[in-house]
Amino acid sequence: KAGVTQTPRYLIKTRGQQVTLSCSPISGHRSVSWYQQTPGQGLQFLFEYFSETQRNKGNFPGRFSGRQFSNSRSEMNVSTLELGDSALYLCASSSRTNNYGYTFGSGTRLTVV
Amino acid sequence: GQQLNQSPQSMFIQEGEDVSMNCTSSSIFNTWLWYKQDPGEGPVLLIALYKAGELTSNGRLTAQFGITRKDSFLNISASIPSDVGIYFCAGRHGGSQGNLIFGKGTKLSVKP
Repeated sequence: KAGVTQTPRYLIKTRGQQVTLSCSPISGHRSVSWYQQTPGQGLQFLFEYFSETQRNKGNFPGRFSGRQFSNSRSEMNVSTLELGDSALYLCASSSRTNNYGYTFGSGTRLTVV
Repeated sequence: GQQLNQSPQSMFIQEGEDVSMNCTSSSIFNTWLWYKQDPGEGPVLLIALYKAGELTSNGRLTAQFGITRKDSFLNISASIPSDVGIYFCAGRHGGSQGNLIFGKGTKLSVKP
Protein backbone atom coordinates (compact mmCIF):
# COMPACT_ATOMS: atom_id res chain seq x y z
CA LYS A 1 0.00 0.00 0.00
CA ALA A 2 1.58 3.29 -1.09
CA GLY A 3 2.26 5.82 1.65
CA VAL A 4 1.61 9.53 1.67
CA THR A 5 3.26 11.10 -1.37
CA GLN A 6 4.37 14.71 -1.41
CA THR A 7 5.69 16.58 -4.42
CA PRO A 8 8.03 18.17 -5.04
CA ARG A 9 10.60 17.06 -2.44
CA TYR A 10 12.65 20.23 -2.75
CA LEU A 11 11.80 23.71 -3.93
CA ILE A 12 13.65 27.00 -4.08
CA LYS A 13 11.60 30.14 -4.55
CA THR A 14 12.26 33.86 -4.48
CA ARG A 15 10.71 36.18 -1.93
CA GLY A 16 7.39 37.50 -3.21
CA GLN A 17 6.63 34.49 -5.38
CA GLN A 18 3.92 31.97 -4.70
CA VAL A 19 4.18 28.19 -4.41
CA THR A 20 1.87 25.19 -4.58
CA LEU A 21 2.67 21.93 -2.84
CA SER A 22 0.90 18.66 -3.51
CA CYS A 23 -0.04 15.73 -1.30
CA SER A 24 -1.55 12.38 -2.23
CA PRO A 25 -2.87 10.57 0.86
CA ILE A 26 -2.91 6.85 1.46
CA SER A 27 -5.63 5.27 -0.63
CA GLY A 28 -8.89 5.37 1.29
CA HIS A 29 -7.80 8.08 3.70
CA ARG A 30 -10.14 11.04 3.52
CA SER A 31 -8.52 13.28 6.10
CA VAL A 32 -5.45 15.27 5.09
CA SER A 33 -3.56 17.66 7.35
CA TRP A 34 -0.65 19.98 6.71
CA TYR A 35 2.11 20.94 9.11
CA GLN A 36 5.05 23.32 8.92
CA GLN A 37 8.30 22.26 10.55
CA THR A 38 11.07 24.74 11.37
CA PRO A 39 14.01 24.48 13.76
CA GLY A 40 12.70 27.35 15.85
CA GLN A 41 8.99 26.62 16.06
CA GLY A 42 8.96 22.87 15.60
CA LEU A 43 5.89 21.24 14.06
CA GLN A 44 3.00 23.66 13.68
CA PHE A 45 -0.47 22.79 12.40
CA LEU A 46 -1.59 24.57 9.24
CA PHE A 47 -4.96 23.07 8.28
CA GLU A 48 -6.98 19.90 8.01
CA TYR A 49 -9.30 18.80 5.23
CA PHE A 50 -11.92 16.10 5.18
CA SER A 51 -14.10 15.32 2.18
CA GLU A 52 -13.04 18.50 0.38
CA THR A 53 -13.94 20.70 3.37
CA GLN A 54 -11.54 22.54 5.61
CA ARG A 55 -12.30 21.17 9.05
CA ASN A 56 -9.70 22.96 11.11
CA LYS A 57 -7.19 25.76 10.65
CA GLY A 58 -4.07 26.71 12.54
CA ASN A 59 -2.78 30.14 13.41
CA PHE A 60 -1.14 31.11 10.13
CA PRO A 61 -1.69 34.20 7.98
CA GLY A 62 -4.09 34.18 5.07
CA ARG A 63 -1.17 33.79 2.65
CA PHE A 64 -1.35 30.11 3.52
CA SER A 65 -4.27 28.32 1.91
CA GLY A 66 -5.20 24.85 0.89
CA ARG A 67 -7.78 22.70 -0.77
CA GLN A 68 -8.77 19.10 -1.15
CA PHE A 69 -10.06 17.41 -4.27
CA SER A 70 -12.72 14.75 -4.64
CA ASN A 71 -10.04 12.03 -4.80
CA SER A 72 -8.72 13.27 -1.40
CA ARG A 73 -5.54 14.67 -2.92
CA SER A 74 -4.66 18.00 -1.37
CA GLU A 75 -2.69 21.07 -2.28
CA MET A 76 -1.44 23.92 -0.19
CA ASN A 77 -0.54 27.32 -1.54
CA VAL A 78 1.62 30.03 -0.08
CA SER A 79 1.42 33.44 -1.72
CA THR A 80 3.83 36.36 -1.43
CA LEU A 81 6.58 34.21 0.02
CA GLU A 82 8.69 35.53 2.85
CA LEU A 83 12.11 34.34 3.99
CA GLY A 84 10.50 32.99 7.16
CA ASP A 85 8.37 30.60 5.12
CA SER A 86 11.43 28.45 4.54
CA ALA A 87 10.55 25.17 6.18
CA LEU A 88 9.75 21.51 5.75
CA TYR A 89 6.06 21.21 4.87
CA LEU A 90 4.56 17.92 5.90
CA CYS A 91 1.31 16.36 4.86
CA ALA A 92 -0.39 13.63 6.87
CA SER A 93 -3.40 11.47 6.18
CA SER A 94 -5.57 9.45 8.50
CA SER A 95 -8.69 7.36 8.59
CA ARG A 96 -10.67 5.08 10.83
CA THR A 97 -8.65 2.14 9.54
CA ASN A 98 -5.48 3.43 11.20
CA ASN A 99 -7.33 4.65 14.28
CA TYR A 100 -6.80 8.23 13.16
CA GLY A 101 -3.09 8.06 13.84
CA TYR A 102 -1.67 10.37 11.25
CA THR A 103 0.72 8.95 8.64
CA PHE A 104 3.12 11.56 7.36
CA GLY A 105 4.76 11.97 3.97
CA SER A 106 8.45 12.76 3.53
CA GLY A 107 7.69 16.44 3.16
CA THR A 108 8.56 19.25 0.79
CA ARG A 109 11.62 21.26 1.73
CA LEU A 110 10.89 24.87 0.71
CA THR A 111 13.69 27.40 0.66
CA VAL A 112 12.86 31.04 0.08
CA VAL A 113 15.74 33.23 -1.05
CA GLY B 1 0.69 28.06 19.16
CA GLN B 2 0.37 25.66 22.05
CA GLN B 3 3.16 23.15 22.44
CA LEU B 4 3.88 20.30 24.74
CA ASN B 5 6.79 20.22 27.17
CA GLN B 6 8.97 17.36 26.04
CA SER B 7 12.07 16.29 27.92
CA PRO B 8 14.88 15.73 27.72
CA GLN B 9 15.82 17.81 24.68
CA SER B 10 18.66 15.44 23.85
CA MET B 11 20.19 12.24 25.09
CA PHE B 12 23.53 10.62 24.36
CA ILE B 13 23.60 7.03 25.51
CA GLN B 14 25.54 3.81 25.16
CA GLU B 15 24.18 1.00 23.01
CA GLY B 16 22.21 -1.42 25.17
CA GLU B 17 21.01 1.19 27.63
CA ASP B 18 17.35 1.92 28.27
CA VAL B 19 15.91 5.32 27.37
CA SER B 20 13.02 7.26 28.83
CA MET B 21 11.44 10.48 27.64
CA ASN B 22 8.22 12.23 28.53
CA CYS B 23 5.77 14.92 27.60
CA THR B 24 3.58 17.08 29.78
CA SER B 25 0.79 19.48 28.98
CA SER B 26 -1.25 22.04 30.86
CA SER B 27 -4.40 20.81 29.11
CA ILE B 28 -6.08 17.44 28.77
CA PHE B 29 -5.62 15.29 25.69
CA ASN B 30 -7.75 12.40 24.47
CA THR B 31 -5.03 10.96 22.27
CA TRP B 32 -1.27 10.73 22.65
CA LEU B 33 0.99 9.73 19.78
CA TRP B 34 4.72 9.10 19.63
CA TYR B 35 6.67 9.62 16.41
CA LYS B 36 10.27 9.17 15.29
CA GLN B 37 11.80 11.34 12.60
CA ASP B 38 14.98 10.58 10.67
CA PRO B 39 16.88 13.33 8.83
CA GLY B 40 15.16 14.39 5.61
CA GLU B 41 12.07 12.32 6.28
CA GLY B 42 8.65 12.81 7.77
CA PRO B 43 7.75 11.57 11.26
CA VAL B 44 6.87 7.89 11.51
CA LEU B 45 4.20 6.80 13.97
CA LEU B 46 5.55 4.51 16.67
CA ILE B 47 2.76 4.17 19.20
CA ALA B 48 -0.74 5.60 19.56
CA LEU B 49 -2.57 5.82 22.91
CA TYR B 50 -6.29 6.44 23.24
CA LYS B 51 -7.24 5.83 26.88
CA ALA B 52 -5.99 7.28 30.16
CA GLY B 53 -3.74 4.77 31.88
CA GLU B 54 -3.19 2.79 28.69
CA LEU B 55 0.18 1.09 28.40
CA THR B 56 1.15 -0.04 24.90
CA SER B 57 4.25 -1.75 23.54
CA ASN B 58 5.72 -1.95 20.07
CA GLY B 59 8.77 -4.20 20.17
CA ARG B 60 11.33 -2.56 22.41
CA LEU B 61 9.19 0.55 22.73
CA THR B 62 6.64 1.08 25.49
CA ALA B 63 4.47 4.15 25.96
CA GLN B 64 1.89 5.12 28.54
CA PHE B 65 -1.01 7.55 28.55
CA GLY B 66 -0.94 9.32 31.92
CA ILE B 67 -4.00 8.96 34.13
CA THR B 68 -4.35 12.74 34.41
CA ARG B 69 -4.52 12.87 30.58
CA LYS B 70 -1.86 15.58 30.74
CA ASP B 71 1.24 13.49 30.25
CA SER B 72 2.76 10.55 28.45
CA PHE B 73 6.08 8.77 28.45
CA LEU B 74 8.03 6.63 26.00
CA ASN B 75 10.59 4.02 26.99
CA ILE B 76 13.05 2.32 24.68
CA SER B 77 14.72 -0.77 26.04
CA ALA B 78 18.15 -2.09 25.04
CA SER B 79 18.86 0.72 22.58
CA ILE B 80 20.59 -0.02 19.28
CA PRO B 81 22.32 2.34 16.81
CA SER B 82 19.27 2.52 14.52
CA ASP B 83 17.28 4.10 17.37
CA VAL B 84 19.13 7.32 16.59
CA GLY B 85 16.78 10.10 15.56
CA ILE B 86 14.38 12.67 16.93
CA TYR B 87 11.39 11.46 18.91
CA PHE B 88 8.26 13.59 19.08
CA CYS B 89 5.24 13.33 21.29
CA ALA B 90 1.95 14.67 19.98
CA GLY B 91 -1.36 15.21 21.67
CA ARG B 92 -4.83 15.64 20.28
CA HIS B 93 -7.79 17.04 22.18
CA GLY B 94 -10.28 15.15 20.04
CA GLY B 95 -10.44 11.38 19.90
CA SER B 96 -10.53 11.03 16.15
CA GLN B 97 -10.55 14.57 14.90
CA GLY B 98 -8.52 17.64 15.41
CA ASN B 99 -4.99 18.75 14.89
CA LEU B 100 -1.96 17.34 16.62
CA ILE B 101 0.03 19.48 19.03
CA PHE B 102 3.68 18.48 19.04
CA GLY B 103 6.49 18.56 21.55
CA LYS B 104 9.82 20.03 20.50
CA GLY B 105 11.39 16.61 20.26
CA THR B 106 14.05 14.52 21.98
CA LYS B 107 17.20 13.98 19.97
CA LEU B 108 18.62 10.55 20.69
CA SER B 109 22.23 9.63 19.95
CA VAL B 110 23.46 6.09 20.54
CA LYS B 111 27.12 5.24 20.91
CA PRO B 112 28.00 1.74 19.71
